[in-house]
Amino acid sequence: DSGVTQTPKHLITATGQRVTLRCSPRSGDLSVYWYQQSLDQGLQFLIQYYNGEERAKGNILERFSAQQFPDLHSELNLSSLELGDSALYFCATSRGAIGTDTQYFGPGTRLTVL
Amino acid sequence: AQSVTQLGSHVSVSEGALVLLRCNYSSSVPPYLFWYVQYPNQGLQLLLKYTSAATLVKGINGFEAEFKKSETSFHLTKPSAHMSDAAEYFCAVSGWNAGNMLTFGGGTRLMVKP
Repeated sequence: DSGVTQTPKHLITATGQRVTLRCSPRSGDLSVYWYQQSLDQGLQFLIQYYNGEERAKGNILERFSAQQFPDLHSELNLSSLELGDSALYFCATSRGAIGTDTQYFGPGTRLTVL
Repeated sequence: AQSVTQLGSHVSVSEGALVLLRCNYSSSVPPYLFWYVQYPNQGLQLLLKYTSAATLVKGINGFEAEFKKSETSFHLTKPSAHMSDAAEYFCAVSGWNAGNMLTFGGGTRLMVKP
């Protein structure tokens, strides 16, 4: 158990809908990262927040957005969902935001878009 | 820009045999390198990381990896495979860029035959 929690574990929804994925970091971790894992794209970085501020952006679609709240939990919002958005979404957290920091991964949210 | 190549999407070994999973990286800055393991229906767990200290890095579960700058490689090894090592393994790189997101290789699925 990494100490990072993600809810829900599974999400099944229809095209065009909007969903919110939630991540609670380990105690003391200030950075939150979101990654997407799919069969065709592999593991891809989406976005990072550090202590409430956006730190870095990766291959995140405009239909997707995220935020980190004062209690440091984070939410990833996916809207106008398409079939291709079906994937496993991981949240990872770390103490700081430097390259040597270990990122601890949550168990993931499996999103299925029908 | 950084990238990671893992040679061999599937590797099969017999129980007790040497495990060798290959990883080559490309980075314009000194890299930090990581190996993660993913068991079915679970998140990623850190096996080991290289952060510019010793070039031979020992990790959990008997795994180790050697950073070779001249070969831009960070191969993962274990002297004797166990059935419980069957999983997917990911090599990743981060660096001094803004944000310390991980760039992952495509993964290698390790199968262990009895």
